Amino acid sequence: GAVVSQHPSRVICKSGTSVKIECRSLDFQATTMFWYRQFPKQSLMLMATSNEGSKATYEQGVEKDKFLINHASLTLSTLTVTSAHPEDSSFYICSAGSRRDTQYFGPGTRLTVL
Amino acid sequence: AQKVTQAQTEISVVEKEDVTLDCVYETRDTTYYLFWYKQPPSGELVFLIRRNSFDEQNEISGRYSWNFQKSTSSFNFTITASQVVDSAVYFCALSEANGGFKTIFGAGTRLFVKA
Repeated sequence: GAVVSQHPSRVICKSGTSVKIECRSLDFQATTMFWYRQFPKQSLMLMATSNEGSKATYEQGVEKDKFLINHASLTLSTLTVTSAHPEDSSFYICSAGSRRDTQYFGPGTRLTVL
Repeated sequence: AQKVTQAQTEISVVEKEDVTLDCVYETRDTTYYLFWYKQPPSGELVFLIRRNSFDEQNEISGRYSWNFQKSTSSFNFTITASQVVDSAVYFCALSEANGGFKTIFGAGTRLFVKA
């Protein structure tokens, strides 16, 4: 079946640093990927839609200058949390699909900002 | 606007009991998909089922069954003879064609199955 990977699975960083999270589709090409954030004991909230070769589309309330998304190829999207602060600590999950109506979720990245 | 409501925050059952997790959705789109995911403590989402808006047939997969009723905008999930390994958070989700197939999740229901 389709596989989506994320790297790293866990990251701990100091406040003020930037962290990059990768989302890869391993056996298919994805023109669209989605990024979600999940705080402890809460649901997944869509942050943005990552479009290959063009700018990402951000959901209302998500700071695009803080959460930089780059979808440079059909198999890779990256989410960079810039100047991370403790309130950015969360579980970040991406999804991808060769078709927009069929999405596969990555295993998630747990970010802890000290 | 699309919305998914899972009114049950937590459910606790004893092993071998049947349990139903409720899901009510809102959409104005005629083409949409409904999903159920399981999220164990590890955090990784486990896909359980996808149902499109044109297929109202109920489905059974082992101990799992799903009841999709467009008349009441509900997509309920039943676990028969629950087991301890079923303990997890379960999410109902919706994606709309007109919404670019972004997936919107319900709040989730935390299921505890006691031995």
